[in-house]
Amino acid sequence: KQEVTQIPAALSVPEGENLVLNCSFTDSAIYNLQWFRQDPGKGLTSLLLIQSSQREQTSGRLNASLDKSSGRSTLYIAASQPGDSATYLCAVRKDTGRRALTFGSGTRLQVQP
Amino acid sequence: GAGVSQSPSNKVTEKGKDVELRCDPISGHTALYWYRQSLGQGLEFLIYFQGNSAPDKSGLPSDRFSAERTGGSVSTLTIQRTQQEDSAVYLCASSLVLATPTYEQYFGPGTRLTVT
Repeated sequence: KQEVTQIPAALSVPEGENLVLNCSFTDSAIYNLQWFRQDPGKGLTSLLLIQSSQREQTSGRLNASLDKSSGRSTLYIAASQPGDSATYLCAVRKDTGRRALTFGSGTRLQVQP
Repeated sequence: GAGVSQSPSNKVTEKGKDVELRCDPISGHTALYWYRQSLGQGLEFLIYFQGNSAPDKSGLPSDRFSAERTGGSVSTLTIQRTQQEDSAVYLCASSLVLATPTYEQYFGPGTRLTVT
């Protein structure tokens, strides 16, 4: 059974810092990995999707990397801003069988102005 | 264009009552998913629809839960004889399945269900 772990569970940083969120998964047979952002009381916003054949994806100040063989992904946020405060979730999709996502428990980020 | 929409946004019901939650996926998206987000449980998969194929119901927690998707578009999740442990946010997502799909999922805002 696929298990997804996110470290740290919570993080508080001053504005302007670069930061790294970590995600690990136990079964490397994945189709892709998706990073989401969730604001309090809201749904999930897709940030980046990395296919299993890719090593990284970038969008603006966000960069996500994937090391499939070691079961790890990182989300790098450059020059953090108070508006980045949210919970960040990573999720993986298996390459066969069930097509649903398996989610980590998230990292709750607070960026202090 | 319009994203995934869900209704109602909030639902309070008494224990033992039935509830129906609705999801309107992004137009043209053939894949539709239901997830549940509970305190202390994280996000868990419930059910998946893809085109005219039989749905993947493997995540439904009990036979009190059912879902249907009419006309390959709108989906309704029904919970019968609700229990307090059913209190959660129910999220719907859809994705576009192409010849070489990414299966990138787009989520709706969710329905917060509270069973009293």
